Amino acid sequence: SQQGEEDPQALSIQEGENATMNCSYKTSINNLQWYRQNSGRGLVHLILIRSNEREKHSGRLRVTLDTSKKSSSLLITASRAADTASYFCATVRSSNTGKLIFGQGTTLQVKP
Amino acid sequence: DADVTQTPRNRITKTGKRIMLECSQTKGHDRMYWYRQDPGLGLRLIYYSFDVKDINKGEISDGYSVSRQAQAKFSLSLESAIPNQTALYFCATSDLRSTDTQYFGPGTRLTVL
Repeated sequence: SQQGEEDPQALSIQEGENATMNCSYKTSINNLQWYRQNSGRGLVHLILIRSNEREKHSGRLRVTLDTSKKSSSLLITASRAADTASYFCATVRSSNTGKLIFGQGTTLQVKP
Repeated sequence: DADVTQTPRNRITKTGKRIMLECSQTKGHDRMYWYRQDPGLGLRLIYYSFDVKDINKGEISDGYSVSRQAQAKFSLSLESAIPNQTALYFCATSDLRSTDTQYFGPGTRLTVL
């Protein structure tokens, strides 16, 4: 069964706006990762946040993690048309490192 | 990621046929994975291997088998393909010394008629 639930399933914004995607999960985790997938292509790792971290930045990406609520968010600031893609959260359970459990993904469209 | 390659990239086959999807990697990683992706369902793990002598079932292994021929090669077989195995299949690798980050191949689009 899926570990992560992502919200929203689809998001459409204008270039320059910020995009926020949320991910909730069910069990204790070792870390949470975000991946990006351009249409029909392989996933690319974006950022990883460990269970003892609360916030992490990478360029225009900001990830937060709230382990008490079992949730994470990915913020993309100053979005660009090239950010159009699907974004997936994936968790590594505390009990089973080495395996990723993926959410269903958020499809982001950034309009020029 | 060119370091993880999959063949074929596209395949159309008929019900009942045996199909093999191949994955090769030049990253030197010990761990390899096979996933399938269906619209609206994200990625689901089929099989994974933490080294050459290690094979483990994932959440949806029924109807599939795998072979880890070498550290760099991990193949997925459908012994008798059925239409609901039509999906996008991804191979991935990770380094046991890293933080579970996985590196994905470009995918194989399989259609079973």
